[in-house]
Amino acid sequence: AQSVAQPEDQVNVAEGNPLTVKCTYSVSGNPYLFWYVQYPNRGLQFLLKYITGDNLVKGSYGFEAEFNKSQTSFHLKKPSALVSDSALYFCAVRDKGGFQKLVFGTGTRLLVSP
Amino acid sequence: DTGVSQNPRHKITKRGQNVTFRCDPISEHNRLYWYRQTLGQGPEFLTYFQNEAQLEKSRLLSDRFSAERPKGSFSTLEIQRTEQGDSAMYLCASSGSAGADGYTFGSGTRLTVV
Repeated sequence: AQSVAQPEDQVNVAEGNPLTVKCTYSVSGNPYLFWYVQYPNRGLQFLLKYITGDNLVKGSYGFEAEFNKSQTSFHLKKPSALVSDSALYFCAVRDKGGFQKLVFGTGTRLLVSP
Repeated sequence: DTGVSQNPRHKITKRGQNVTFRCDPISEHNRLYWYRQTLGQGPEFLTYFQNEAQLEKSRLLSDRFSAERPKGSFSTLEIQRTEQGDSAMYLCASSGSAGADGYTFGSGTRLTVV
């Protein structure tokens, strides 16, 4: 079965500094990988996805993610963090079996301090 | 079309009561998913519809849970004889039929069982 791991429960970064939120995956075959963001008491919002092609994927709100097949990672990055980026971030992989449901990680809380 | 709509946003119910939640997906999406999210966890898959057919159910979906999607449009999730352990955010998402699609999530229904 496909799975993702988010090794950090929380990431703290100062505003203006670069941020990285880590995700590793375990899949058979080529993965479809996604990042979502969740603000308090809200549903998940799509940020970006990797299907195929360039390893650096650009998404919404200035976020990007780097797909690394050898390290089985899909880390989320942003060159300069904003306080408003503070939220819960989820990495997900599309299940290859069954009906291709998304399987989510446990989430990483990002706190950006002023 | 303004996205995926879920009602109600919040529901407080007494243990043992039945509750029903509604999800209106994006109209052109034929796939609909229900997920459950508890505090500090990532969303966990509950069930999946393609048009009106319920094609996959998680083992998390006990006999007290039932979901429908009549005519392949909106969906309802009913929980009978609620228990305190059912307290969670219930998320609905929809997607198109293309394999690489991510999901569009609703804002969720937060259930509190007292």
